[in-house]
This record gives sequence, structure tokens and C-alpha cells, in this order.
Amino acid sequence: GDSVTQTEGPVTLSEGTSLTVNCSYETKQYPTLFWYVQYPGEGPQLLFKVPKANEKGSSRGFEATYNKEATSFHLQKASVQESDSAVYYCALSEGQGGSAKLIFGEGTKLTVSS
Amino acid sequence: GPKVLQIPSHQIIDMGQMVTLNCDPVSNHLYFYWYKQILGQQMEFLVNFYNGKVMEKSKLFKDQFSVERPDGSYFTLKIQPTALEDSAVYFCASSLEGAGNTLYFGEGSRLIVV
Repeated sequence: GDSVTQTEGPVTLSEGTSLTVNCSYETKQYPTLFWYVQYPGEGPQLLFKVPKANEKGSSRGFEATYNKEATSFHLQKASVQESDSAVYYCALSEGQGGSAKLIFGEGTKLTVSS
Repeated sequence: GPKVLQIPSHQIIDMGQMVTLNCDPVSNHLYFYWYKQILGQQMEFLVNFYNGKVMEKSKLFKDQFSVERPDGSYFTLKIQPTALEDSAVYFCASSLEGAGNTLYFGEGSRLIVV
């Protein structure tokens, strides 16, 4: 089946530094790719998604490009803030119609200190 | 954004007892999901549900698990009987459409089996 692999955490950064969380995926399909963020005590919430290869998604200063050739979808932010501390999940959409579901990576816990 | 409500937020139950986790999905959504997250680990797909039927279930969806959504009310996950390894946070999600669509998650129901 499909799978997603992410940068192992935890990741600790100082405010103002740059972030890269690597995400690689395996699939025989052409999935939509997602980044979700999960804050303590909450469910995952969508950061952004990209449905097509070679397109970029972005939100709140985070961005990622759907690289079909490299099967990657790395998350980047130029300057992180303390409020970015959370767990970040890369995910892909597998299946069609009613059988569709999200397959998540392991998650990367980010802690940003001031 | 759209809200998925889960009840209870947490429950402690004796091994062997039955538990029902309730989910109130986003009102116009048609696709429903349950995910399991053991503390500090990744989100793992359990089951998806559409048009009154289970569409797909993972290996984690044991025979002791069942889901239903009677008459458009709560989407429920029932575990009977519970086992120690069922201790986890269970997240409900819903989406308007299937493949490639955004899943909206609730805040989770933390189940502790003792």
C-alpha cells in the first residue's frame, strides 16, 4: 500500500531560524498531498494541500512543492515563531470515492524557543 | 472552520467492558472516518464509512470494533469487549467528498482501558 515517510523528530529551533521537514511518499497513483498540523490536545487540522504535481501550496508562511519525480513534499518556513510549535504531519490521499482515506507520516514534533 | 464534535473527550473503562465513542460530523459531509493515535505516535487509519456502509477497514479494525450512523445521527465507534491495547486517542473525521478532499478532525476521545 501507499506510505509516507517524514523527518524524524523532535526538531528544536530558535525563533527566527528556518525550518525544513522532509516528506517522501510511495504510491502507484497520483494523490493529493497534504500537510496537517496538530496542537496539543487537538485533532490535526489542515495546513494546506496540493492536488497536482509541480504545484506549490502555502499557508501561514509554510510552503511545500509537490515533486512527483522525486516523490517528495518537503515543508519549509523561512522564519519560525514560538507559536509554530506543534506536530506536523505529511499525508497523501489514497483510494477513490467512498474508499478514499488519508495516509499519514509519522509526524514531526517541532519546538520553537524564544 | 467546520467543526467535528466528539463525545466523550476522555473515558476510563475496565478491560472487557463495552465503550461507544460518539462523533457529530460536519453537517453536510458525506464521508466519515475513525483514526487511532497511540500517545506520541502517528495517526493510523481504522475505517471509513459512506452511504451507510463501511467502505474499507484496516488491520487495526478488529472484530471487536463496529461503526454505524443510525438515521443520520452520531457516527459511532463501538468496541466490545475492550482490551488493554485499545488505549489510545480516537479521532473522528469527516469530509464533503472522497478522494483528495480535506478531512476535518475532531479533538479526539482519549480512551484508557485498565
